[in-house]
Amino acid sequence: SSELTQDPAVSVALGQTVRITCQGDSLRNYYANWYQQKPGQAPVLVVYGENRRPSGIPDRFSVSSTGTTSSLTITGAQAEDEADYYCNSRDRSIYVVFGGGTKLTVL
Amino acid sequence: EIQLVQSGAEVRKPGESLKISCKGSGYTFNRYWIGWVRQMSGKGLEWMGIIYPDDSDTRYSPSFEGQVTMSADKSMSTAYLQWSSLKASDTAIYYCVRPEGEATASGAYDIWGQGTMVVVSS
Repeated sequence: SSELTQDPAVSVALGQTVRITCQGDSLRNYYANWYQQKPGQAPVLVVYGENRRPSGIPDRFSVSSTGTTSSLTITGAQAEDEADYYCNSRDRSIYVVFGGGTKLTVL
Repeated sequence: EIQLVQSGAEVRKPGESLKISCKGSGYTFNRYWIGWVRQMSGKGLEWMGIIYPDDSDTRYSPSFEGQVTMSADKSMSTAYLQWSSLKASDTAIYYCVRPEGEATASGAYDIWGQGTMVVVSS
């Protein structure tokens, strides 16, 4: 099965812009979806599909993609954005695969 | 309000069986796939599989095929995840999830259950 690769950890200064990447062959054919997970909580979908945000998600979260890489961008990172971020995508037919996750630290 | 409410935490011994549940409300349950995601302590998210409650069409991740059984009772708006013989390595939080689109098996899960902690220990 395909894999999605994420950097284990990324940091950003408060108010700056950060990009978290997700790489995998399945991204040639399927969009990545991005989740935020804070300690002790269930993950929350923050961006999905072409660049859609569920209701209530701030517009500082956006996604772009090229080839086999999807990038989640947080423009003007806030302290409350410190969390683990996971990507996932479809992987042939109906199956889904998750990336290993990226721990974002806001300095 | 659309929500998935999972059954409570469980503690079992190795070799025992277990069935946990996920009840949907606020939407037409049988028209949305329900997936299951595992998260072991301090680790990432793992996709286990997905079931369509209307006809119980089920697909398992190769990593979980034969290890768990997914089922659904659309009359009760409830999906289930069960083990026939638990192992210590099954200790984890299990989330049920719903894709954002009706009848789509998209991986965009906009609704998550609160998670069920399963502890398997002798």
